Amino acid sequence: DIQMTQSPSSLSASVGDRVTITCRASQSITNYLSWYQQKLGKAPQLLISASASLQSGVPSRFSGSGSGTDFTLTISSLQPEDFATYYCQQTYSTPLTFGGGTRVEIK
Amino acid sequence: QVQLQESGPGLVKPSETLSLTCSVSGYSISTAYFWGWIRQSPGKGLEWIGSIYKSGSTHDNPSLRSRVTISVDTSKNEFSLKLSSVTAADTAVYYCARFDSRGRQFGPFDYWGQGTLVTVSS
Repeated sequence: DIQMTQSPSSLSASVGDRVTITCRASQSITNYLSWYQQKLGKAPQLLISASASLQSGVPSRFSGSGSGTDFTLTISSLQPEDFATYYCQQTYSTPLTFGGGTRVEIK
Repeated sequence: QVQLQESGPGLVKPSETLSLTCSVSGYSISTAYFWGWIRQSPGKGLEWIGSIYKSGSTHDNPSLRSRVTISVDTSKNEFSLKLSSVTAADTAVYYCARFDSRGRQFGPFDYWGQGTLVTVSS
């Protein structure tokens, strides 16, 4: 199985801050990496696929990068609605696996 | 607009079988895509359970394989999950979702159901 390790597991930030979340795969997954946002009591929502492809309707302050084993999700200017938990996921091989999540909290 | 909706009992007794159905609207399952199940234990992360294609071919998580059965009913435009011999560790919110295949790899889960909480308790 491919293990996905996210860091940090949680962070506190202020509105307007630049936030970076990292995700590391235990082996190369080329660019089969997606990012999801989950708000309390809701289903995860797809933000980014193929490492860097922004989904339609997702604000441009979100961006993704990386390939191989190391990936990054960046929020350029944190907004109040961005406080949530973020997960990475590899779809390179089954079993499809998720990172442990990064909870973004208000400072 | 593609919509997925999970349904099934919210309470299951230990050792029994958990059964859930995902009804799909706005898209015909018999057209394409994989259809999967994911769960999230209280306060925990996401775990992919398994998935099925319109043909009935499945992929599943080895950690649950011996207990999981996923089936599809294209006439009803729905797919189902059965998880046998449940314990308290199977208590979770269960989601259904859609994703595509890209050769030997897969795409992201682009549509999700709202999730349904299943509690395993006597």
